[in-house]
Amino acid sequence: AQSVTQPDIHITVSEGASLELRCNYSYGATPYLFWYVQSPGQGLQLLLKYFSGDTLVQGIKGFEAEFKRSQSSFNLRKPSVHWSDAAEYFCAVGVSRGGAQKLVFGQGTRLTINP
Amino acid sequence: NAGVTQTPKFRVLKTGQSMTLLCAQDMNHEYMYWYRQDPGMGLRLIHYSVGEGTTAKGEVPDGYNVSRLKKQNFLLGLESAAPSQTSVYFCASSSHGSPSTDTQYFGPGTRLTVL
Repeated sequence: AQSVTQPDIHITVSEGASLELRCNYSYGATPYLFWYVQSPGQGLQLLLKYFSGDTLVQGIKGFEAEFKRSQSSFNLRKPSVHWSDAAEYFCAVGVSRGGAQKLVFGQGTRLTINP
Repeated sequence: NAGVTQTPKFRVLKTGQSMTLLCAQDMNHEYMYWYRQDPGMGLRLIHYSVGEGTTAKGEVPDGYNVSRLKKQNFLLGLESAAPSQTSVYFCASSSHGSPSTDTQYFGPGTRLTVL
């Protein structure tokens, strides 16, 4: 069965520093991979997604992610974080099941930004 | 456009009480989903619908019922609430069933506490 693991529950970085959030997945076929962000008290917003082609995917808010099949990873990166990036980040793998799009989420990584 | 809206935003129930959570979307999406979010567990799919008049079970359906009488609305019901159903509930919608071509859009969530 498909699964997603985000090894880091909580990460703290300083404003202006670079960021990398880790995501590992388990899925037998070519995965469809997503990163969502959840600001406090808000719903989830899609940052980026990968489904084929170039393994380096650009998203909104200056984020990018790289798909590495050999490592079953889809890590999220940002070269310089801003205080507004403080949020919870979820990685997910998408599958088609029963005619619908099923998303399997990781546990989430909470990002704190130090001024 | 309002996107995906959820009613109510907060609710406190006593064990054994019933309630219905309402999800509405104004994007003319065919597919709608209900998730629950618990600390350290990410989001898990409760039920979903591939169109008006259809419903299907997700990963954690026990204790919940759903209905999709109108295309724009997806209702989640708790017939006899239990403390284990204390959670944050998210609704989502998408226009297609394939994760390669479509994106799920999420509502702001409903925080439910069962005492």
